[in-house]
Amino acid sequence: TQLLEQSPQFLSIQEGENLTVYCNSSSVFSSLQWYRQEPGEGPVLLVTVVTGGEVKKLKRLTFQFGDARKDSSLHITAAQPGDTGLYLCAGGGYIPTFGRGTSLIVHP
Amino acid sequence: EAQVTQNPRYLITVTGKKLTVTCSQNMNHEYMSWYRQDPGLGLRQIYYSMNVEVTDKGDVPEGYKVSRKEKRNFPLILESPSPNQTSLYFCASRRDRKNIQYFGAGTRLSVL
Repeated sequence: TQLLEQSPQFLSIQEGENLTVYCNSSSVFSSLQWYRQEPGEGPVLLVTVVTGGEVKKLKRLTFQFGDARKDSSLHITAAQPGDTGLYLCAGGGYIPTFGRGTSLIVHP
Repeated sequence: EAQVTQNPRYLITVTGKKLTVTCSQNMNHEYMSWYRQDPGLGLRQIYYSMNVEVTDKGDVPEGYKVSRKEKRNFPLILESPSPNQTSLYFCASRRDRKNIQYFGAGTRLSVL
């Protein structure tokens, strides 16, 4: 099974701050997905990155796939309380591998 | 509205008492999966199904069974639950291997 390491595990910041979450592996993935999960709900897909070096933007969220397709990052600009949640990266096919997640809390 | 519906949302049971968690999707998706989510371990796939009557083991299949008699339904069966199966369970579906995966709202199971 391919492993995905996410860091940091926990992040507690003030509204307006910037942050970056990392997702790293020693394996090459054909694609990586980023999900956000809110308490009491299932994960919801934010983005899929496919091409090495690819950058995708979703409002204040910027996702990057490493050139070697082994790592990815999620950068949030000017975080807001509504960004609070568990951020998960996932890769793979029939049996996708999920990272353990980064729990983000944004304080007003 | 595209939905994956799990029932029940919460379940407390005792060791050895058979239970079924139902999952239904209304998107005519081929692929369906079951995951469990545990603190510090993340989401791990239990079983998946690529189509009706086609199921296969994921990373942690021990103690679980599934069936796919119809495209829309993918129940998870615990024949003899044990306390180590206390977890948060998610069902998911997607059109094919490369498409968006939609998750249900989760079933929180406690086995005493």
